[in-house]
Amino acid sequence: GESVGLHLPTLSVQEGDNSIINCAYSNSASDYFIWYKQESGKGPQFIIDIRSNMDKRQGQRVTVLLNKTVKHLSLQIAATQPGDSAVYFCAEKDGGGADGLTFGKGTHLIIQP
Amino acid sequence: DAGVIQSPRHEVTEMGQEVTLRCKLISGHNSLFWYRQTMMRGLELLIYFNNNVPIDDSGMPEDRFSAKMPNASFSTLKIQPSEPRDSAVYFCASRAGQGLRGEQFFGPGTRLTVL
Repeated sequence: GESVGLHLPTLSVQEGDNSIINCAYSNSASDYFIWYKQESGKGPQFIIDIRSNMDKRQGQRVTVLLNKTVKHLSLQIAATQPGDSAVYFCAEKDGGGADGLTFGKGTHLIIQP
Repeated sequence: DAGVIQSPRHEVTEMGQEVTLRCKLISGHNSLFWYRQTMMRGLELLIYFNNNVPIDDSGMPEDRFSAKMPNASFSTLKIQPSEPRDSAVYFCASRAGQGLRGEQFFGPGTRLTVL
């Protein structure tokens, strides 16, 4: 069946460096993608989203890149801070009309001092 | 605004017991989503409602699970009878728009342990 998956379960980066978290998706009908951040004991928190008619979108210290040709999504975090430590999920929405999101398994981002 | 409110935050019960999880939407939101999170399967959509009407319940594991929205701001997820494999963190999320509009705001979750 269709699935959304992440390449790496854990990513360790130095404080101040840039982080790149990757996500592969297989549903070619997906037309909307979201990155969520989940801190321990909390619910997922929206970071940034992108529609399938775009290939790049920037927010505050975050950039999402979408490559529909290879069905790949990435989240770039600039100047990583200790508060960025969390599990990051990519999620996709099928363009067929259903409103529910399909989530990837998550990548644990660890910030080294 | 207090955000999405879920209760209880933690629930420990014995196999065979009925469990009821509760969720209060953000005021003004009209869509409600129930998700389940486990280490093995990650975050999975169970069911969602638009304007109090269940739209897609294909993610509900089996007949032991049921969800309702008795009014526009409140929802319950019931498991009867509960089984150890139901142990997970259950999240609800609410949203103001439909389709591509509107971000889903998640509650803090209910951690359910079935012994």
